Amino acid sequence: AQKVTQAQTEISVVEKEDVTLDCVYETRDTTYYLFWYKQPPSGELVFLIRRNSFDEQNEISGRYSWNFQKSTSSFNFTITASQVVDSAVYFCALSEFEKLVFGKGTKLTVNP
Amino acid sequence: DADVTQTPRNRITKTGKRIMLECSQTKGHDRMYWYRQDPGLGLRLIYYSFDVKDINKGEISDGYSVSRQAQAKFSLSLESAIPNQTALYFCATRESGGDKDTQYFGPGTRLTVL
Repeated sequence: AQKVTQAQTEISVVEKEDVTLDCVYETRDTTYYLFWYKQPPSGELVFLIRRNSFDEQNEISGRYSWNFQKSTSSFNFTITASQVVDSAVYFCALSEFEKLVFGKGTKLTVNP
Repeated sequence: DADVTQTPRNRITKTGKRIMLECSQTKGHDRMYWYRQDPGLGLRLIYYSFDVKDINKGEISDGYSVSRQAQAKFSLSLESAIPNQTALYFCATRESGGDKDTQYFGPGTRLTVL
């Protein structure tokens, strides 16, 4: 069965620090998608990024960057110069057929 | 207007009551999903539907039922609510095909069963 592990349950940083959220996955599929979602305190789930298994290029979007490494089955998420508005729970997810398998989430708190 | 809406947003009910959570979407997606979120457990899939005639159980379907009334509507029912069904429930739709294999979530329904 597929599995997503986010070993960091909670992280606390001070504003402007860089922070990396780890995600390790297990799958036997050769074709799959990986995702990151953000859940701010208001509760909604916001889609951040999708990466397919054939594309190992790192991606940068503003202060956000993602590092996908198939060799280590990892899809890590880095926030550069963190801001208080980045405080949220972040979920990594893996596609399994028609479904998503979610990690348990990492709660990030950015303190002013 | 939001693409995926859920009603109600908050609901408090009593053990044994029947309750329905509704989800509507304007994205035109065929695939719809119901998840529940419990603290520290992430999201778990309850039911999913590929179209109005195709409904499938997820990993935690016991105690729940669904109805896909139309492409745009997917309802989740708790026939006889129990306290351990207290959770945050999310509906999602999926855009599929090519490189657009992404699920988009509604705002969630917070359900409390007393």
